[in-house]
This record gives sequence, C-alpha cells and structure tokens, in this order.
Amino acid sequence: DAGVTQSPTHLIKTRGQHVTLRCSPISGHKSVSWYQQVLGQGPQFIFQYYEKEERGRGNFPDRFSARQFPNYSSELNVNALLLGDSALYLCASSLVGGDYEQYFGPGTRLTVT
Amino acid sequence: RKEVEQDPGPFNVPEGATVAFNCTYSNSASQSFFWYRQDCRKEPKLLMSVYSSGNEDGRFTAQLNRASQYISLLIRDSKLSDSATYLCVVSFTGGGNKLTFGTGTQLKVEL
Repeated sequence: DAGVTQSPTHLIKTRGQHVTLRCSPISGHKSVSWYQQVLGQGPQFIFQYYEKEERGRGNFPDRFSARQFPNYSSELNVNALLLGDSALYLCASSLVGGDYEQYFGPGTRLTVT
Repeated sequence: RKEVEQDPGPFNVPEGATVAFNCTYSNSASQSFFWYRQDCRKEPKLLMSVYSSGNEDGRFTAQLNRASQYISLLIRDSKLSDSATYLCVVSFTGGGNKLTFGTGTQLKVEL
C-alpha cells in the first residue's frame, strides 16, 4: 500500500512569492496534518484537517493557509514568502481526527532566497 | 519552559550497548504519547506508541509516568542501524490532534 505522498520534493522560491504544497494521505485515512521542521528542531504543528474541516491551527501567521479536498488530499499555501519560511514541510495522515497515530510523508524541502 | 523537553545528545554508544532516553512534558492534560525515529533529512517514522502500562517491541521498551510527566525509551543490544534522532511526541485531544515534538535526541551507535 502507498504511504503518504507529497509534491514537490524540493522547491526554491524568492522572497515575496507564493507556494503551494500538496499531500495525499494513506488510502482510507481521513485526517491530514501539516508540520514545519527547521534544521535542528522537531516538527512544529501548522494545521490539522479532518473531513475537510480545519480541526486545529498552530502558531503560524495568516500567510499560511490550507484546505482539504473531498478525496482527503490537502494543499498547504504560503503567501509572501520570507527567508525564515525555508524548512522541511511535512504532511502526516491519520485514520480519523483525535489522538491517533500519524504517519508522515517524505516532506517538501522549501528554500526561500 | 518547552512543552516537550529532551536531552539533544549526541549519545555515542558501542554496538550491543543499552541506551535510555528520557523526555518530560509540561501539559498535564496530554493524553497520547509516542516515540518517532528520524534519519538525517528524512521524515519522522513512528517507532512506538507509549501506554500507561509500558510497552515493549523487540529491543525497544517505552515507559510512561503520568504523575511525573515523564516518558522514557530503552534500546537494548544497540545496532549500527539504530543511529538516528529519536523524537519524543505528545498530544492531547483538546489540541485538535496536534502532535507536539521535542527537539530530539541524537543516537550514534559505533563499532
């Protein structure tokens, strides 16, 4: 069975640009969460979606937004990119919302120059 | 105070050694606990969930002490392939299934 997939794997953008990252959860999983991981730190929670509704939001500015589609895939959008947005963006899927185990995709490595 | 605290290491141990990692968390409402393993420039992979009664999976044993808000991971008979960063992870339902990660403890197993 396919695991969590993310695209693209790598991305280079310029300050002020916009980026869209995509994620497909494990088949049968209905919840998707997004995390940002900068070098030397653990992943930081950005959003969780379950059944197409936002169920949780981390301490990130409004430049960050996300949505979940009827097929449970998800997009993370970041506007007005800053140098500090350079990080590994991880998507995790779980069967349902709540305290269930989450499985991570390989991530999208974003570099902002 | 960080929500989840871990000793960053690195822990350098010889092959075959037993090594223990500790983690403390600040939110007493936390309900679920996990250990994830992360290899360099890869995604975190779920190693094991941690239950109040403690649990074991082969060479790995996890313990939870809710009263002290403390989680541990014990690795016996270390292998070279165990070299990685081990992330302590906590969640509580009120946080919308948000996982809160520690910064990770780096393990290097040497010949």
